Amino acid sequence: AQTVTQSQPEMSVQEAETVTLSCTYDTSENNYYLFWYKQPPSRQMILVIRQEAYKQQNATENRFSVNFQKAAKSFSLKISDSQLGDTAMYFCAFRTGANSKLTFGKGITLSVRP
Amino acid sequence: DVKVTQSSRYLVKRTGEKVFLECVQDMDHENMFWYRQDPGLGLRLIYFSYDVKMKEKGDIPEGYSVSREKKERFSLILESASTNQTSMYLCASSPGWSYNEQFFGPGTRLTVL
Repeated sequence: AQTVTQSQPEMSVQEAETVTLSCTYDTSENNYYLFWYKQPPSRQMILVIRQEAYKQQNATENRFSVNFQKAAKSFSLKISDSQLGDTAMYFCAFRTGANSKLTFGKGITLSVRP
Repeated sequence: DVKVTQSSRYLVKRTGEKVFLECVQDMDHENMFWYRQDPGLGLRLIYFSYDVKMKEKGDIPEGYSVSREKKERFSLILESASTNQTSMYLCASSPGWSYNEQFFGPGTRLTVL
């Protein structure tokens, strides 16, 4: 069975600074996909970034980038130039290539301070 | 823009009542999912469906059932609501067998008294 671990329940960062959210996963599969989702307070969950396991290059979306370490089974999210609108709960998620089911971590609450 | 809607944002029911949570997506997605979200536990999959009239159990199906009579609609049913089913319920959809993301609805916060 696949598991996703987010060990930090909460983090806080000053506006304009950089923060890294950690995520580790466990799987015996070779073909899989990793995602970071964002859930702002009282708002809908949206995708932040995704990574295909067979791609060595780390995914980047504007201020968001990942550090994908396949051997270590680590998938951290770096948010650069943090903004107040980044305040949200962030979930790391995993799925194999065989099906569409997602396995989520427990999430981390990120607060951006003005 | 993909839109996933859920019938209620907030719902209050009494123990023993039958509860229906409805989810509708407008992008002709094959896959639909029901999760519950609880503090400290993240999202846990209750049921999912790959096609009309098809359903599969997720990680925590006990006390729930689902119905998918039409491709765009996926219903979650609590046959006899209990207080431990008080939670946030999230519906999601995604296109067929690809690695595309899941698109989420706004959630229904259900309170069972």
